[in-house]
Amino acid sequence: EAGVTQFPSHSVIEKGQTVTLRCDPISGHDNLYWYRRVMGKEIKFLLHFVKESKQDESGMPNNRFLAERTGGTYSTLKVQPAELEDSGVYFCASSQAGGAGYEQYFGPGTRLTVT
Amino acid sequence: AQTVTQSQPEMSVQEAETVTLSCTYDTSESNYYLFWYKQPPSRQMILVIRQEAYKQQNATENRFSVNFQKAAKSFSLKISDSQLGDTAMYFCAFIYNSGGSNYKLTFGKGTLLTVNP
Repeated sequence: EAGVTQFPSHSVIEKGQTVTLRCDPISGHDNLYWYRRVMGKEIKFLLHFVKESKQDESGMPNNRFLAERTGGTYSTLKVQPAELEDSGVYFCASSQAGGAGYEQYFGPGTRLTVT
Repeated sequence: AQTVTQSQPEMSVQEAETVTLSCTYDTSESNYYLFWYKQPPSRQMILVIRQEAYKQQNATENRFSVNFQKAAKSFSLKISDSQLGDTAMYFCAFIYNSGGSNYKLTFGKGTLLTVNP
């Protein structure tokens, strides 16, 4: 069974540019999460999809971030325009169900560097 | 708000020895889960061990075990017979059962463990 995959693995962009990160969850997992780790800090929650619906987007930093999940399958996270403080590792995770006891399976992350 | 604190940014241990990673948390919730995740260099994060708060018995997974002290809000990870493959960043994480749809993990900053040959 394929795990959670993320693309690209690394992205280096200039301030003001746009970047789109992609996440493919484990097949059959309705729940998809985005997290971010800024250097030296905690991994922080960004948002949670159930199928194609945003269940909780309380962690999204501002309106420069836009997440979508087309047809309840893969998800994209767009940053437009990117700022220096957006640099970090963006993790995607998926789970079979949304209960607290269900394991969230993580992807390898996308390392975003904004210069 | 929930917080998770890992006070050891880095640790090292000799192969075959035992090491304990510390984690404390703060919450007013009573129904929650605690996790230790491991992220090896350049690889994805995987779940090492899980503890349900309502269970008094400490969780164990092969060489990995936890010391869960609910009153003290402490959740340490013990790795026995350390192996080179245990070298990784270890994250302590918390999630509570809100009965609704709030299922986000709260993480600590992580502890970088190096196992030396």
